[in-house]
Amino acid sequence: NAGVMQNPRHLVRRRGQEARLRCSPMKGHSHVYWYRQLPEEGLKFMVYLQKENIIDESGMPKERFSAEFPKEGPSILRIQQVVRGDSAAYFCASSPSRTGAQETQYFGPGTRLLVL
Amino acid sequence: QKEVEQDPGPLSVPEGAIVSLNCTYSNSAFQYFMWYRQYSRKGPELLMYTYSSGNKEDGRFTAQVDKSSKYISLFIRDSQPSDSATYLCAMNGNTNAGKSTFGDGTTLTVKP
Repeated sequence: NAGVMQNPRHLVRRRGQEARLRCSPMKGHSHVYWYRQLPEEGLKFMVYLQKENIIDESGMPKERFSAEFPKEGPSILRIQQVVRGDSAAYFCASSPSRTGAQETQYFGPGTRLLVL
Repeated sequence: QKEVEQDPGPLSVPEGAIVSLNCTYSNSAFQYFMWYRQYSRKGPELLMYTYSSGNKEDGRFTAQVDKSSKYISLFIRDSQPSDSATYLCAMNGNTNAGKSTFGDGTTLTVKP
């Protein structure tokens, strides 16, 4: 039973390029969450999605960042025109579809983005 | 002021010691309280979660929640070198639509 999958595990981009991070939730999970972790800090919530819907994007920077979770395929976190401050570990989590399971978020291994 | 404050580390203990990890919070709406373990350069692993106040035990781990004091704890008995990791507390509430708020983590080292 595969867990949450994220790819790539490591991503290097130059300033101004685009970064695309992918997340496949656990089987049977239709709730996806993205978090960012800066060095020596805890995880900071970015966005919560269900299939084809953004439920809460209160943690997303207003510019350059976007997320989607299409009907088919993985969830995508997209960062346009990356800057050095975007360098961080980006974690995806998923949870079951049933109501009340919001506490049981299972995390993927993360994508470590380095902006040169 | 952060919504969730976690005791800063690092914490170093000898093997077999009892470890106490703590977090305080300010948001009264939090109902679910979680503890995650994160090994270096890995994703967080859910250890335990508790709904509302009370204690929960799982093997060597005990989670306590005191909502009146807005204080949660994780106790590790008979600590092992394999417990060496960063421990993150997290919490959310019914109105948060799944958004979890994390502490900054406490790094624990258990020395053999």
